[in-house]
Amino acid sequence: AQSVTQPDIHITVSEGASLELRCNYSYGATPYLFWYVQSPGQGLQLLLKYFSGDTLVQGIKGFEAEFKRSQSSFNLRKPSVHWSDAAEYFCAVGPGGYNKLIFGAGTRLAVHP
Amino acid sequence: EAQVTQNPRYLITVTGKKLTVTCSQNMNHEYMSWYRQDPGLGLRQIYYSMNVEVTDKGDVPEGYKVSRKEKRNFPLILESPSPNQTSLYFCASSPSSVQETQYFGPGTRLLVL
Repeated sequence: AQSVTQPDIHITVSEGASLELRCNYSYGATPYLFWYVQSPGQGLQLLLKYFSGDTLVQGIKGFEAEFKRSQSSFNLRKPSVHWSDAAEYFCAVGPGGYNKLIFGAGTRLAVHP
Repeated sequence: EAQVTQNPRYLITVTGKKLTVTCSQNMNHEYMSWYRQDPGLGLRQIYYSMNVEVTDKGDVPEGYKVSRKEKRNFPLILESPSPNQTSLYFCASSPSSVQETQYFGPGTRLLVL
């Protein structure tokens, strides 16, 4: 069965530091891959997505993610974190051909001043 | 303003008392979906709809019903709520499929006593 794993439940970084959030998926073919962000008390907002082509994807708010087929990973990165980035981040997989989206358990990011 | 609205935002009810959570979108989207969010489990898809009168089960449909009589509305019905349905519920929509950007509502927090 398809699955998404986000190994880190909580991450704390200092403002200005770099960030990498990990995401691994289990799926037979290349899936559709997404990163969503949920700010406190809000719904989810799409940061970026990957379907095909260039494996380095740029998103909103200065985020990027890299698809690595050999590692079944789609890690999210940001070179310099801002206090407003504190939120919960979800990786999601959309199995091609099916209209279901499978989410990881999420990683909660705290940013220290 | 393009948006997905949900009502109510907060609801406390008792076991067995039927309830409906409404969802409406003003973007003329064909695809709509319901998710529940539980700590440590991320978001899990309950039901989705590809278009009017077309609905299908997600990963956790037990205890829920949906209907799609109009394009803009996708209500979630709990005919006999139980405490294990206490959760945070999100409605989402996208132009035509889950592979496209989904726009999420603000969420409905449900407590079943």
